[in-house]
Amino acid sequence: QSALTQPPSASGSPGQSVTISCTGTSSDIGAYKYVSWYQHHPGKAPKLLIYEVTKRPSGVPDRFSGSKSGNTAFLTVSGLQAEDEADYYCISYAGTNHFGGMFGGRTELTVL
Amino acid sequence: EVHLLESGGGLVQPGGSLRLSCAASGFTFTDYWMMWVRQAPGKGLEWVANIKEDGSQIYYAGSVEGRFTISRDNVKNSLYLQMNSLRAEDTAVYYCATVYYWRFDYWGLGTLVTVSS
Repeated sequence: QSALTQPPSASGSPGQSVTISCTGTSSDIGAYKYVSWYQHHPGKAPKLLIYEVTKRPSGVPDRFSGSKSGNTAFLTVSGLQAEDEADYYCISYAGTNHFGGMFGGRTELTVL
Repeated sequence: EVHLLESGGGLVQPGGSLRLSCAASGFTFTDYWMMWVRQAPGKGLEWVANIKEDGSQIYYAGSVEGRFTISRDNVKNSLYLQMNSLRAEDTAVYYCATVYYWRFDYWGLGTLVTVSS
């Protein structure tokens, strides 16, 4: 059972913006800045998109942005492109190096 | 350039064993915790186990504790996962990944483990 809750699906047309939510608790997302987001295309390696709530690794387009409000984190994909169609995961530190509580569900993003 | 290359997957019968390896290059292996994550068919990513830089701390998901053993060889820059008493529900693609301040910067392409008679 996932500790973090994401919507199972999201969709948008090319050029639109889509926001994916990730709801946790005051013990994980609400307590720490260590929230990260990952993109996963089937058959490929998952890719880090956002770390520490809002930071983007080098090479990640600025169309991807992260934010947090209370116990919920958000990933916004602006200017949707066909290649953004993938699975998205949020992960939050939960105060322990046992990672069982860190992984959320999965959101399948469809570009219409 | 960072590379993580998993190997050792394959078809195994229920109750059997496999040893997965993850060869790391392009970064200082001893600077990172490492972990294994899996994805069963049609499911999301599931954390399996992680290990501290020097191997002194290890954690397992409850679904694999007592059956799987994570280890690392910092001379060979390699991560391992010994999987015993395999079950059908262990069928998945297994990924290794680096861990740094609770973010996972680098991932391999994965290796497929199929448990079936």
